[in-house]
Amino acid sequence: QLQLQESGPGLVKPSETLSLTCTVSGDSISSSNYYWGWIRQPPGKGLEWIGSIYYSGNTYYNPSLKSRVTISVDTSKNQFSLKLSSVTAADTAVYYCARVKTGNNWFDPWGQGTLVTVSS
Amino acid sequence: QSVLTQPPSVSAAPGQKVTISCSGSSSDIGNNYVSWYQQLPGTAPKLLIYDNNNRPSGIPDRFSGSKSGTSATLGITGLQTGDEADYYCGTWDSRLSVWVFGGGTKLTVL
Repeated sequence: QLQLQESGPGLVKPSETLSLTCTVSGDSISSSNYYWGWIRQPPGKGLEWIGSIYYSGNTYYNPSLKSRVTISVDTSKNQFSLKLSSVTAADTAVYYCARVKTGNNWFDPWGQGTLVTVSS
Repeated sequence: QSVLTQPPSVSAAPGQKVTISCSGSSSDIGNNYVSWYQQLPGTAPKLLIYDNNNRPSGIPDRFSGSKSGTSATLGITGLQTGDEADYYCGTWDSRLSVWVFGGGTKLTVL
């Protein structure tokens, strides 16, 4: 059964870089049928797509975050990672990773999510 | 403000039926598949409907999806208290090259 698990610091200082990793188990991240994505949800608010990556390294980013976002993949560890630079309080959110169906672009399954708070 | 428009809340009694609308444009819903997600309180979203009207394995047939033009609809029949959750629609926006979600609809089963 495919499972995704986010990991990383729960607290990041303003202006620093948020770094999270998603570990995939139960399937290879090198599957040709899927991308791997990051989505976030500020407390009490809706969902925002951050970006997605293919196992080859091809990436798609949300234009609103593109200047600050880097998503990378490590196929040897079956992991993909998110870096968001110059964070502010507005980046406080639960961050989810998910598998993304190529072409059709639906997200399934999702990780349990990890809360990242930006505060000094 | 979300690209896709959903009603903030809907409610109905147990056993009844409810529909949740998702309105977009020709660059998103009009030319791309729609998916729906259920987010129970305190949990991660779960895929409910994909490719407009398909249910993943394990999703009961009480849940259905449809699409017409630039709008999509999620239907839930035989409402149960366990269906109380936030529901989100989502699709790809071909003009902006971005995945977009609706603002979410909170379902209350009275």
